[in-house]
Amino acid sequence: DGGITQSPKYLFRKEGQNVTLSCEQNLNHDAMYWYRQDPGQGLRLIYYSQIVNDFQKGDIAEGYSVSREKKESFPLTVTSAQKNPTAFYLCASSENSLSYNEQFFGPGTRLTVL
Amino acid sequence: GQNIDQPTEMTATEGAIVQINCTYQTSGFNGLFWYQQHAGEAPTFLSYNVLDGLEEKGRFSSFLSRSKGYSYLLLKELQMKDSASYLCAVLDSNYQLIWGAGTKLIIKP
Repeated sequence: DGGITQSPKYLFRKEGQNVTLSCEQNLNHDAMYWYRQDPGQGLRLIYYSQIVNDFQKGDIAEGYSVSREKKESFPLTVTSAQKNPTAFYLCASSENSLSYNEQFFGPGTRLTVL
Repeated sequence: GQNIDQPTEMTATEGAIVQINCTYQTSGFNGLFWYQQHAGEAPTFLSYNVLDGLEEKGRFSSFLSRSKGYSYLLLKELQMKDSASYLCAVLDSNYQLIWGAGTKLIIKP
């Protein structure tokens, strides 16, 4: 079955530690996205990638980094520079990012920084 | 700036009909999406509108008026499983999705 996987579902880290969230898709989609969702707020775009080895900052990229070395994978690193990292993180993919295309979401990772 | 407005929370009764509104002001418009999101889960696609009018899909319908910057999602024959948040998102001129904060729908028996 095609889809998007994120791991782990729940993640706890101590303040000051970097942490990497995994996102893998087998839909053969070109575009991938990382969103952050906080209670009572909409999804906010962190980074997106339209093609392998290329990515762009979204609205709230500070304190985050990504890589896109393979089409299937788009890991997100939450660095110690991110002031309020506790949130629900969603990864999504779409066929491309330059036309109408439905975004498919992974199950999400809930990160709690202690 | 870009802005999407939805009511924060709505309550409806099982078996009834509910309409969730969404108004938007964005830089360009390439379509409007509705997604459903159950608590703690991923959003799932419900509908896409790019032309004015009503799109019907089973118990769910979505309406768009581009001149008014307005859309609504209509849910009929409400079931308890429809309790969820409903997210409105607009595809802007750069084909970036701008998301509303979502409407939490509570269904009562």
